[in-house]
Amino acid sequence: DTGVSQNPRHKITKRGQNVTFRCDPISEHNRLYWYRQTLGQGPEFLTYFQNEAQLEKSRLLSDRFSAERPKGSFSTLEIQRTEQGDSAMYLCASSSHLRTVIYEQYFGPGTRLTVT
Amino acid sequence: AQSVAQPEDQVNVAEGNPLTVKCTYSVSGNPYLFWYVQYPNRGLQFLLKYITGDNLVKGSYGFEAEFNKSQTSFHLKKPSALVSDSALYFCAVIPVLRGSQGNLIFGKGTKLSVKP
Repeated sequence: DTGVSQNPRHKITKRGQNVTFRCDPISEHNRLYWYRQTLGQGPEFLTYFQNEAQLEKSRLLSDRFSAERPKGSFSTLEIQRTEQGDSAMYLCASSSHLRTVIYEQYFGPGTRLTVT
Repeated sequence: AQSVAQPEDQVNVAEGNPLTVKCTYSVSGNPYLFWYVQYPNRGLQFLLKYITGDNLVKGSYGFEAEFNKSQTSFHLKKPSALVSDSALYFCAVIPVLRGSQGNLIFGKGTKLSVKP
């Protein structure tokens, strides 16, 4: 399967603990996005990378959140000192991006985080 | 603020009947428009997109959507619904602005239920 993969699929953690999620995009895609989806809502943009550069962060992304894409391939999203409000599905998407062309984003299955 | 509205939380259709899932948007500039579908325990799947050109675009699984600039709408349609079409449908836009990150802005989603 050459789609976007995310690990783990589910994570249960206690409030105050740190968690890290991984996303492996489609190999030839240079853009990688992170979104968060809560029940009954559409996904909301968190941050994105073009190759290894993190180009934009949403104001939804508090200081407790950090994302990396060290070699322009896979990406990690870390949440420090988790809070119950962080419970959500975290989605990763990738796409090709050329200066004048917009391509569709392909999504992974998501990581469901539950903070108890 | 840029936004996408899906006015119906749920749409119920009998199998074999035509279906419409509504979407309107409020963005600056000319948007790129997308529809995604989400099945339980699976990631978002791309259905179709409108970039430019013919206002009627065709996508996967027999779905099509009509772009209406004057009404700022992009309704999803299918001539004959299948029970297997039952899922959560999301409309999304990418505003075409200088400095646009290319991230998707999603609606809340519409649950489509197709009964035999």
